Amino acid sequence: QQQVKQSPQSLIVQKGGISIINCAYENTAFDYFPWYQQFPGKGPALLIAIRPDVSEKKEGRFTISFNKSAKQFSLHIMDSQPGDSATYFCAASREGSARQLTFGSGTQLTVLP
Amino acid sequence: EAGVVQSPRYKIIEKKQPVAFWCNPISGHNTLYWYRQNLGQGPELLIRYENEEAVDDSQLPKDRFSAERLKGVDSTLKIQPAELGDSAVYLCASQGGNTGELFFGEGSRLTVL
Repeated sequence: QQQVKQSPQSLIVQKGGISIINCAYENTAFDYFPWYQQFPGKGPALLIAIRPDVSEKKEGRFTISFNKSAKQFSLHIMDSQPGDSATYFCAASREGSARQLTFGSGTQLTVLP
Repeated sequence: EAGVVQSPRYKIIEKKQPVAFWCNPISGHNTLYWYRQNLGQGPELLIRYENEEAVDDSQLPKDRFSAERLKGVDSTLKIQPAELGDSAVYLCASQGGNTGELFFGEGSRLTVL
């Protein structure tokens, strides 16, 4: 059972553009929604995370938008840079599970110079 | 502060051979995870440890996979015998502190021929 569905699978954006990656979840018990960034040959690293008590969280050029009723959340990368080229994973977990994450399938982002 | 350390980074073996991966988590992190990441996919949980106790190993194929975390620090993941379908990156992650953030190692890439 795929509990977190992520789209698109790949994304190509021009430098300075906005990158948008979407995720949908099924388990209403999820209450923590992080985004991880992974460069080739490296492990995933936490980028930004949100809890369902807020609808948006912004850190620098990265913003998470959260829609609890639709069970969807998205990552927006403003002013995308070539250095942002990486694979992005959304994830979700529920309280009491030591943040045991269920990951989406990933989005490979390429930012063209 | 040192991050999560994994070894070996790369391993190529013939099918039916055994293989073992080692993980040293961040000092003080009580929770340790092993994930498997297939090419083009998100990480999938294999096992979670709280100190030396395996508290969730429901996704670990126990016929050929085993893991241990003696003394609640380092951990090893073993596959015996390996099959072609075991080719993947095996990621170790540790978790601790107030934020509950997961920190991943760089992974061990296994190729089974």
